[in-house]
Amino acid sequence: EIVMTQSPATLSVSPGERATLSCRASQSVFANLAWYQQKPGQAPRLLIYGTSTRATGVPAKFSGSGSGTEFTLTISSLQSEDFAVYYCQQFHNRPYTFGPGTKLQVK
Amino acid sequence: QVQVVESGGGVVQPGGSLRLSCAVSGFNFNIYDMHWVRQAPGKGLEWLTLIRYDGSNEYYADSVKGRFTMSRDNSKNTLFLQMNSLRPEDSAVYFCVKDAAEFLAVGYFDVWGQGTLVTVSS
Repeated sequence: EIVMTQSPATLSVSPGERATLSCRASQSVFANLAWYQQKPGQAPRLLIYGTSTRATGVPAKFSGSGSGTEFTLTISSLQSEDFAVYYCQQFHNRPYTFGPGTKLQVK
Repeated sequence: QVQVVESGGGVVQPGGSLRLSCAVSGFNFNIYDMHWVRQAPGKGLEWLTLIRYDGSNEYYADSVKGRFTMSRDNSKNTLFLQMNSLRPEDSAVYFCVKDAAEFLAVGYFDVWGQGTLVTVSS
């Protein structure tokens, strides 16, 4: 099983600034990496797949990068609706596995 | 409008059984692999099962293999998860989830239901 880790666990950023979230896989997942956003009481929402492709309707402020075992989600010009928990997920191998999440909160 | 609605959650005693359902509308259910993903209270996400678009095969996480069975009825656009031998650690919100690709799962999920809560407790 591929183990996903995320850092930091909690990230405090001021509105209007940029947030950078990290995700690491225990072995290479090539570009088979997705990011999800989850707000309290809601289901996760797909943001990014294939490391860097934005899902339908996702604004350009969300961008993904990386390859192999190291990945990054960058969110620019943070607005109130962006503060949430973000999960990375590998889909290179079953079982598909998620990272533990990064909580993005207002500084 | 795409809709995925889970039902069947509730409180069950350890060792008991529960059957979850997932009613789908707004997309061609018959051509998509489907999954169940769960989230324990205050915890992260765990992928559980995948069923092929035609019901020909299922795949399970080790944590539920042999206890959970996923099935589908394409004539009724409905997905099922039969959960047996339930344990307290199975307590979670269970999400019915659509694979993003037609016919062959890519393994990431573009449509999620709101989830149904299962609590395993005596």
